[in-house]
Amino acid sequence: QVQLQESGPGLVKPSETLSLTCIVSGGSIYTNYWSWIRQPPGKGLEWIGYIYYSGSANYNPSLKSRVSISVDTSKNQFSLRLSSVTGADTAVYYCARYEAPRHDAFDIWGQGTMVTVSS
Amino acid sequence: QSVLTQPPSASGTPGQRVTISCSGSSSNIGNNYIYWYQQLPGTAPKLLIYKTNQRPSGVPDRFSGSESGTSASLAISGLRSEDEADYYCSAWDDGLSGWVFGGGTKLTVL
Repeated sequence: QVQLQESGPGLVKPSETLSLTCIVSGGSIYTNYWSWIRQPPGKGLEWIGYIYYSGSANYNPSLKSRVSISVDTSKNQFSLRLSSVTGADTAVYYCARYEAPRHDAFDIWGQGTMVTVSS
Repeated sequence: QSVLTQPPSASGTPGQRVTISCSGSSSNIGNNYIYWYQQLPGTAPKLLIYKTNQRPSGVPDRFSGSESGTSASLAISGLRSEDEADYYCSAWDDGLSGWVFGGGTKLTVL
């Protein structure tokens, strides 16, 4: 059974870069797309982007200028970098598997990690 | 402001049937599959409905999805207390070239 686990700093200063990693266990990273989705406190979900094991990535246009998602197949993990953060980037960040072609959906999620942007 | 529009709240009594709506446009719901996610309090979202009306294994058949034009609906029959959660609709948006979500509907079981 595939499981995902996010890790990274819980506090980031304004204007700095947020960095998170998601470890994929119980399955191979060589299939499906691997995603980041966030949820500000008390608000809805926002798709950040996803990446294939080959390195091909697709980002939310509203975040594209600040986002980078990378994959490390040797460690079975993928990472998120979000630059020039502000308080609006405070959120729970989830990593998720985008499974295709059966579901074509985000079918497995990590537990989420809270990131606060504050000085 | 979310691209997909959902009512902020819905409610029902145990055993009742409730529906949650999701309104979009021709660039998302009108031309692509719809997905529904259930988020229980303090937990990560869970895939509830995929490709508009399909249930992943383990999801009870009390949950069903449908679509008409640029709107979609999630129906829950035989409402149970454990259904109390936030529900989100989602779809691919051709214009934005990305996944969009509704703002979520908080379902209360009275």
